[in-house]
Amino acid sequence: AQSVTQLGSHVSVSEGALVLLRCNYSSSVPPYLFWYVQYPNQGLQLLLKYTSAATLVKGINGFEAEFKKSETSFHLTKPSAHMSDAAEYFCAVRRGFGNEKLTFGTGTRLTIIP
Amino acid sequence: NAGVMQNPRHLVRRRGQEARLRCSPMKGHSHVYWYRQLPEEGLKFMVYLQKENIIDESGMPKERFSAEFPKEGPSILRIQQVVRGDSAAYFCASSPPEGNYGYTFGSGTRLTVV
Repeated sequence: AQSVTQLGSHVSVSEGALVLLRCNYSSSVPPYLFWYVQYPNQGLQLLLKYTSAATLVKGINGFEAEFKKSETSFHLTKPSAHMSDAAEYFCAVRRGFGNEKLTFGTGTRLTIIP
Repeated sequence: NAGVMQNPRHLVRRRGQEARLRCSPMKGHSHVYWYRQLPEEGLKFMVYLQKENIIDESGMPKERFSAEFPKEGPSILRIQQVVRGDSAAYFCASSPPEGNYGYTFGSGTRLTVV
């Protein structure tokens, strides 16, 4: 079975500050990991994905995440927060690159302080 | 190239009525997934379908819920005799036949049971 845990259901950072959203995974097989962003009353948009090609993954909107097998982590970072980054962020895991279900974390709501 | 289209965006049903949620996948995508998002929670997998086949329904409640993806037309998630606890956002995602590292999500249908 696979699962992800997102530490911190709410995170607040000042505009221009570092954004760090935490995700730890549990998987019996090499995982495929994803970060999605959800803006209010909208669907989920893929930010980035880890598929074993490179441990540091760059995504859209200046976000990146690093896969650390020893720590079973896939934390999401952005060097400088922007007001438009305020949203809910979900980490997700899947067994393979085929057509299988995603298992989501409970989400982290990011608030940007002006 | 239209994305994943879900309709209606908002649906209000009285307890005991039926709710029908529609999902048209992206062009060229033959795999559809339904997820449910309860307030303040992450997305929970419900069912995975290919054209005319249910591949994985391990997340579907045993009663009142059904899904189909006919040869022609959109995928339908049907909820019979709705109850207050069915109030949630229902998201559909699609992927191409060859698999994908990440799905494309629709904007969701927000079901309110009154």
